[in-house]
Amino acid sequence: DAAVTQKPRYLIKMKGQEAEMKCIPEKGHTAVFWYQQKQSKELKFLIYFQNQQPLDQIDMVKERFSAVCPSSSLCSLGIRTCEAEDSALYLCSSSGGVSYEQYFGPGTRLTVL
Amino acid sequence: GQQVQQSPSSLVLQEGENAELQCNFSSTATQLQWFYQSPGGSLVSLLSNPSGTKHTGRLTSTTVTKERRSSLHISSSQTTDSGTYLCAIDRDQGGRALIFGTGTTVSVSP
Repeated sequence: DAAVTQKPRYLIKMKGQEAEMKCIPEKGHTAVFWYQQKQSKELKFLIYFQNQQPLDQIDMVKERFSAVCPSSSLCSLGIRTCEAEDSALYLCSSSGGVSYEQYFGPGTRLTVL
Repeated sequence: GQQVQQSPSSLVLQEGENAELQCNFSSTATQLQWFYQSPGGSLVSLLSNPSGTKHTGRLTSTTVTKERRSSLHISSSQTTDSGTYLCAIDRDQGGRALIFGTGTTVSVSP
């Protein structure tokens, strides 16, 4: 069973609506990552938090997404105005200590109609 | 930036056969992880192997860092091995975020 939890598992939004998904990292892990995977495509890195601070993100996230980690046990990824192209599986992972190995949650599957 | 290429893109096996999956990357990697992605989409970490050879169960990974390649060997395949195998390296050398290859889809029939 995944030690990283993601909610909700499925999310349906209309174009133009706001979306929010949450991630609970593995206990003790200080690094949290978000990735996007569109249908049959490779996973795409979105943003990386270390000790709740964003350290690396792609331009798309800065422009259209909102991502925060208000505590060490909760992070969220939001889309301000959903577009059809945002339909994807959003995966959260965490890692901790000296190991860089990442462990993934089950994902949130977003569908934008 | 970094690029990761995996081959073959798909593989069909009879149960009991062995398989070798390849991962090539564009520049030196300090991280290398192999993942299994189920048809439902969830990712399971199989091995973290930035250099050398590592074993876990029926899986063996060999990474030759200076040649920028890694392989994943599956021995005595089972139907439950069906899914997509992904190779990932550090997005920026020494960084923590990963970039992924497009994967090898393995289908094992009984």
